Amino acid sequence: KAGVTQTPRYLIKTRGQQVTLSCSPISGHRSVSWYQQTPGQGLQFLFEYFSETQRNKGNFPGRFSGRQFSNSRSEMNVSTLELGDSALYLCASSFKGKDRASYEQYFGPGTRLTVT
Amino acid sequence: AQSVTQLDSHVSVSEGTPVLLRCNYSSSYSPSLFWYVQHPNKGLQLLLKYTSAATLVKGINGFEAEFKKSETSFHLTKPSAHMSDAAEYFCVVSGWFDSTLTFGKGTMLLVSP
Repeated sequence: KAGVTQTPRYLIKTRGQQVTLSCSPISGHRSVSWYQQTPGQGLQFLFEYFSETQRNKGNFPGRFSGRQFSNSRSEMNVSTLELGDSALYLCASSFKGKDRASYEQYFGPGTRLTVT
Repeated sequence: AQSVTQLDSHVSVSEGTPVLLRCNYSSSYSPSLFWYVQHPNKGLQLLLKYTSAATLVKGINGFEAEFKKSETSFHLTKPSAHMSDAAEYFCVVSGWFDSTLTFGKGTMLLVSP
């Protein structure tokens, strides 16, 4: 099976702009989670989507939003970019069935966002 | 609420010597615990996981970890380090009722020849 793919891999944006990142999960996986990784804060959970519904949300401002499509692909949007939004954004997918073991998350390579 | 503390930010070993990366967790419920590895400019790769089955968990590339409830620990070990093991390692906890992952700050493993 193909792994989790994220596009684009690298992005440079200017403060005040908005950006959309895309994530395609492993075939058959229904849950997609997003994480932000920065040197200062480490890895932090942004949100999780399951069957096109947001199931969990981390402690991030409303400028960060996402959605999931019927084919489980997910997009993440950040509006009014700030310098502090520069980070590696990681997407992870899981099957998330009844078996707890199926909650295992598989990560994509990430999108490196630089805000100038 | 759940949290993870990785006790060392950096660990240095020589090639061929044992590796020990320490992790303590806190969780209100029976947790799932994971170790992930991240090589430079790469995503995260799952090394191993504990989900309430055997307390000694074997993972990929010769790594293993032991779940000790009494000590709330989940330390990662490998008998003999290889140069390719040099990377950042994350201890991660997941709750019973949701699959949100809470990451430790990471431990950078340095392997010298």
